[in-house]
Amino acid sequence: SQTIHQWPATLVQPVGSPLSLECTVEGTSNPNLYWYRQAAGRGLQLLFYSVGIGQISSEVPQNLSASRPQDRQFILSSKKLLLSDSGFYLCAWTMTGGDGNEQYFGPGTRLTVT
Amino acid sequence: DQQVKQNSPSLSVQEGRISILNCDYTNSMFDYFLWYKKYPAEGPTFLISISSIKDKNEDGRFTVFLNKSAKHLSLHIVPSQPGDSAVYFCAATEGYSTLTFGKGTMLLVSP
Repeated sequence: SQTIHQWPATLVQPVGSPLSLECTVEGTSNPNLYWYRQAAGRGLQLLFYSVGIGQISSEVPQNLSASRPQDRQFILSSKKLLLSDSGFYLCAWTMTGGDGNEQYFGPGTRLTVT
Repeated sequence: DQQVKQNSPSLSVQEGRISILNCDYTNSMFDYFLWYKKYPAEGPTFLISISSIKDKNEDGRFTVFLNKSAKHLSLHIVPSQPGDSAVYFCAATEGYSTLTFGKGTMLLVSP
């Protein structure tokens, strides 16, 4: 069966510090991968998605970036965090061209920028 | 421009009664709709979906209704249970594109 991992679970970082959040998927190959952020009052906002290694699409311009160095690894990064980057970050996957478009989410990372 | 709207930020229902969560969309190209359930500090979990070629899909206590002419869908939970208390997200997609989510509705089911 497929599983998705995210770490860390919680993170407190000062403004201006770098960020690296990691997401890995097991039990499937060539998944589509997604990064979402849930901020207060804003629901789930799609940040990045990837349909393959090295292929990243950005949905929202911001100081975050994403990379996919391996088929089942998706990394969310920032060089300098802003207060507005605080939120709950979720990684999700779906099968390439999958029937139904159901996305499966990881446990999330709670990021607090102070 | 918000393409998927959940206009009720919260809903309170008594145990055993029906919960009705509503969702409106503006993009007529959306052809697949999904509901996700989310507990605090956890990732959302897929609940139920419906294709635009249908107007109803049922799975146990959960039923989703789609009214394409009104660009409206709703999730019915009958009977509601305290464990159903969570945030419910409506999502829509066009083809195999990315999902567009609503802001969510927090459901509280009281005993």
